[in-house]
Amino acid sequence: DAGVTQSPTHLIKTRGQQVTLRCSPKSGHDTVSWYQQALGQGPQFIFQYYEEEERQRGNFPDRFSGHQFPNYSSELNVNALLLGDSALYLCASSWRTGGSRDTQYFGPGTRLTVL
Amino acid sequence: KQEVTQIPAALSVPEGENLVLNCSFTDSAIYNLQWFRQDPGKGLTSLLLIQSSQREQTSGRLNASLDKSSGRSTLYIAASQPGDSATYLCAVGGSGNTGKLIFGQGTTLQVKP
Repeated sequence: DAGVTQSPTHLIKTRGQQVTLRCSPKSGHDTVSWYQQALGQGPQFIFQYYEEEERQRGNFPDRFSGHQFPNYSSELNVNALLLGDSALYLCASSWRTGGSRDTQYFGPGTRLTVL
Repeated sequence: KQEVTQIPAALSVPEGENLVLNCSFTDSAIYNLQWFRQDPGKGLTSLLLIQSSQREQTSGRLNASLDKSSGRSTLYIAASQPGDSATYLCAVGGSGNTGKLIFGQGTTLQVKP
């Protein structure tokens, strides 16, 4: 049973560019959440997708957007990259009906470096 | 606004020692609390999940307790091993069963042989 997968593993971009990160949830999961983890900090919630719609959003600007596909996989898009966007981006999956009851499973993350 | 704090930020102990990691949160209206392990540059591995109605959970050498009224949780690691060296993160699941997690900044543990 494959766990949560993310691609790419590493990414280097320059300021002002746009980036797309991808996540495939654990088999049987229908909800995907994205988190940003700056170096030495705990992860911060960006947003959550269920039934192809954004259901919750953290305190992130509109430059951060996402999408969920019918197969439950998800993309995170960041426009007009800033140096401060450099971080590890983590994807977590869960069952919607489980909500907070169940353990969330995290992927290995995508390391984004903005130069 | 929920805030989660972990103390200490870093800890170094000799192998074999029993140790306690602390997590505190400001709003007691939580749905649950999870402890995660993170190895350098890697994703998160869930260690223990405590529902708001529970007081503790155990898995092997790990025991996590939850005291909602005081806004505290502890992770107890028995007989520490060098392989336990990692960053340990505590995360609170907010009220409303939304699945959103609020994390502390983590405690980086080094267990010396």
